[in-house]
Amino acid sequence: EDKVVQSPLSLVVHEGDTVTLNCSYEVTNFRSLLWYKQEKKAPTFLFMLTSSGIEKKSGRLSSILDKKELFSILNITATQTGDSAVYLCAVAYNNNDMRFGAGTRLTVKP
Amino acid sequence: EAGVVQSPRYKIIEKKQPVAFWCNPISGHNTLYWYLQNLGQGPELLIRYENEEAVDDSQLPKDRFSAERLKGVDSTLKIQPAELGDSAVYLCASSPGHSTQGYTFGSGTRLTVV
Repeated sequence: EDKVVQSPLSLVVHEGDTVTLNCSYEVTNFRSLLWYKQEKKAPTFLFMLTSSGIEKKSGRLSSILDKKELFSILNITATQTGDSAVYLCAVAYNNNDMRFGAGTRLTVKP
Repeated sequence: EAGVVQSPRYKIIEKKQPVAFWCNPISGHNTLYWYLQNLGQGPELLIRYENEEAVDDSQLPKDRFSAERLKGVDSTLKIQPAELGDSAVYLCASSPGHSTQGYTFGSGTRLTVV
């Protein structure tokens, strides 16, 4: 059965900390892995990863994919309170299917 | 460029009543998705359209849910009759065809069934 598993489910840190969010997957015909940030309702796109070992970076956020071990990590350095959100991992597979994980709820305290 | 527009933002109805949600995707996006998101869960696909054709509705509870995308542009999702367990956020997303560059999501409709 196709699945996407994120860990931890929730995380509480203080400003300035570095966090690592995990996403593992089992799908047929993998196409890409995507990370989204969801603050209130609409998830907003962060990264799309298709190749192993190539880090994608945007400011304090970075992500990398390991297609052999079937996982990805999302790193956030020097966290800020504005980083508090649910981070969703999604895997695109088959023709145009996408399966989401349950998300990691990150809370950054001042 | 306008994003994906959904309405209403919030809806409270009594159980057994009908309800409808509307979505206008980004202009030119052929693919439209309806997702259901329960509290503490990731979005789950209900139905995917390629233009006006529903190409994946395997997760849509067809006894009470229906959807349409006339003319391949905007779409409506209907529940009749609603049940307490339908309380959730209903998200619409669109993408330009078979691209996996990431969907663009609308703000969603939060449905509360009482």
